[in-house]
Amino acid sequence: EVQLLESGGGLVQPGGSLRVSCQVSGFTVSRNYMSWVRQAPGKGLEWVSVMYADGRTYHADSVKDRFTISRDYSKNTLFLQMNNLRVDDTAVYYCAKDLGLGGDSWGQGTLVTVSS
Amino acid sequence: DIQMTQSPSTLSASVGDRVTITCRASQALSNWLAWYQQKPGKAPKLLIYKTSTLETGVPSRFSGSGSGTEFTLTINSLQPDDFATYYCQYYNNYLFTFGPGTKVDFK
Repeated sequence: EVQLLESGGGLVQPGGSLRVSCQVSGFTVSRNYMSWVRQAPGKGLEWVSVMYADGRTYHADSVKDRFTISRDYSKNTLFLQMNNLRVDDTAVYYCAKDLGLGGDSWGQGTLVTVSS
Repeated sequence: DIQMTQSPSTLSASVGDRVTITCRASQALSNWLAWYQQKPGKAPKLLIYKTSTLETGVPSRFSGSGSGTEFTLTINSLQPDDFATYYCQYYNNYLFTFGPGTKVDFK
């Protein structure tokens, strides 16, 4: 069974850093494309980052140069390193496997709050 | 960048209604268009991918169509479980974009 479990969310001050994780089971994180999608409170979905099986990564303009997506094959885990956080980065962060394709899967999300 | 809009932003409907949600793009898209349903506090659920392919396990009252700059999600005979927010999502040049969403609520 495919499962994704995010963790690492919490409260951080503006300008601070945080790394959220997505532990997966039932598939290999390095053999699929993996994405991060966020949702600010009461707002819509916003795609954040993607990592393809061949290692290529892409980020939305809103987080480029601040966020970095990565993976650990041995831990079968996806990460999102978030630096220089802003108040408008406050959101639930979801990881997703094969976004937009048949059979895609999502985690339950982890809340990141950026506030002083 | 491709801009995506959805209409309407809110739709009031009754059980049994036929509902149509439209997603428009600022330029012509390929068929890599998906539709998601989201309920409060839950992760989105894929309904349709590649414009018109029904995800496994999704009821056949959901259907998708379209091409170019206009795509639609249709729900035939709306059921109580269908009251939710719906998002279109597009893939192009390795990047992904979500539409702003359409909330379907009780009339």
